[in-house]
Amino acid sequence: EIVLTQSPGTLSLSPGERATLSCRASQSLSTSYLAWYQQKPGQAPRLLIFDASRRATGIPARFSGSGSGTDFTLTISRLEPEDFAVFYCQQYDSSPTFGGGTKVEI
Amino acid sequence: DVQLVESGGGLVQPGRSLRLSCATSGFTFGDYGMSWVRQAPGKGLEWLGFIRSKTYGGTTQYAASVKGRFTISRDDSKSIAYLQMNSVKTDDTAVYYCTRNAATWELFFDYWGQGTPVTVSS
Repeated sequence: EIVLTQSPGTLSLSPGERATLSCRASQSLSTSYLAWYQQKPGQAPRLLIFDASRRATGIPARFSGSGSGTDFTLTISRLEPEDFAVFYCQQYDSSPTFGGGTKVEI
Repeated sequence: DVQLVESGGGLVQPGRSLRLSCATSGFTFGDYGMSWVRQAPGKGLEWLGFIRSKTYGGTTQYAASVKGRFTISRDDSKSIAYLQMNSVKTDDTAVYYCTRNAATWELFFDYWGQGTPVTVSS
């Protein structure tokens, strides 16, 4: 099983600031099959990024993904008030697993 | 609009069974694989398993944690996916989400239901 470790656990930022979230895999994802999701309290997760860097339909350009191998990053260029949430990475290079999440708080 | 609506959750005693349903609309259900993901209270996400479309055999694959206890099935005539949960344990307490597999061979999830809560307790 591929274990995904997200850091930091919590990121405290202000609207307008840049957020950089990390996701590290326990073994290399040969196919860059990594997705990012956003989850707000009481809601289902929403797909943001797939294939490490491709934005899902309707996702604003301020969200971007990068990385390969074992190290992946989600960047939110300028935080909007509605962006504060918990973010999860997920690999699908093998049987799917999720990271533990990063909470982005005001 | 794509919609996935789960139902069937509730309180169940340890060792008993429960079947969750996922009613879908807004897309050609038979063309897509479907997965189930759960989230224990205050915890992260755990993928449970998926079922391929009939085009690809309608076969299933499960996470090791639930293999042999949980079964996923589908009724393409009704556009519904199911999760049969047998011999439930207190650790199965979670919100259960139905998801649509975004691609045939890549297991990431582009649409999610609102979730149905399951509590396993005596």
